[in-house]
Amino acid sequence: GENVEQHPSTLSVQEGDSAVIKCTYSDSASNYFPWYKQELGKRPQLIIDIRSNVGEKKDQRIAVTLNKTAKHFSLHITETQPEDSAVYFCASKGGGSNYKLTFGKGTLLTVNP
Amino acid sequence: GAGVSQSPRYKVAKRGQDVALRCDPISGHVSLFWYQQALGQGPEFLTYFQNEAQLDKSGLPSDRFFAERPEGSVSTLKIQRTQQEDSAVYLCASSPTGANSPLHFGNGTRLTVT
Repeated sequence: GENVEQHPSTLSVQEGDSAVIKCTYSDSASNYFPWYKQELGKRPQLIIDIRSNVGEKKDQRIAVTLNKTAKHFSLHITETQPEDSAVYFCASKGGGSNYKLTFGKGTLLTVNP
Repeated sequence: GAGVSQSPRYKVAKRGQDVALRCDPISGHVSLFWYQQALGQGPEFLTYFQNEAQLDKSGLPSDRFFAERPEGSVSTLKIQRTQQEDSAVYLCASSPTGANSPLHFGNGTRLTVT
C-alpha cells in the first residue's frame, strides 16, 4: 500500500515568515494530494489540493508544489499569521485505490506573534 | 447546509463494553469513510461505503469492529468488547463521489477505554 512521510513534525516561525512542510509518497501511480489543517479538538479541514497533472497550485497565501519524478509534494504558507497555528496533514491517494487517502503523521505549526 | 455530524462527541467505556458511534454525512454524499486517529498521529483508514455497500473494510483492526450504512445515509461504527488500544478519535468523512473529490470530515468521537 501507499506510504506517506511528512517532515518536519514540528515547525515554529515568527509571524510574517514563510513556512514549508514536505511530504514524500511511495506509489508512483498516486494522483491526488490534499492538505488538511486541524486545530486542536476540531475536524481536519481541506485547505488546498493538487492533482498529478499539474506541478503547482496557489490560493492566496497558500501554495502546493508537486514533483512526480521525485514523488514529493510541499505546502508553502507565506506571510504567516498566528491563526495559521495548527496541525497540518498531507495525504495521498494511491496504492491501487481511487478513494483511500493515506495521511502523513502531521506537522504542528506554531506562528509566534 | 449542515456538515458531517458525529455523535457522541466523547465516549468513555469500560474495557469489555460495546460502543456504537454514529455518523450523519452531508445529504446526498455517496461516499462515506471512517478513519481512526490516535493521539499525535494522522488519520488512518478503517472502512469505505459507496451508498449502502461496504466496498472496503481492510482497515478495520479486528473482527471486533463492525460498520454499517443500511440505507445509504447514516452510518454506525460498532466496537465490541472494547480494549484500551481502541482509545482514539474516530472520524467520519463523506464526499459526493469517491474518486478525487474532497473529503468533508466530522468533528469525530473521542473514545476513551478505561
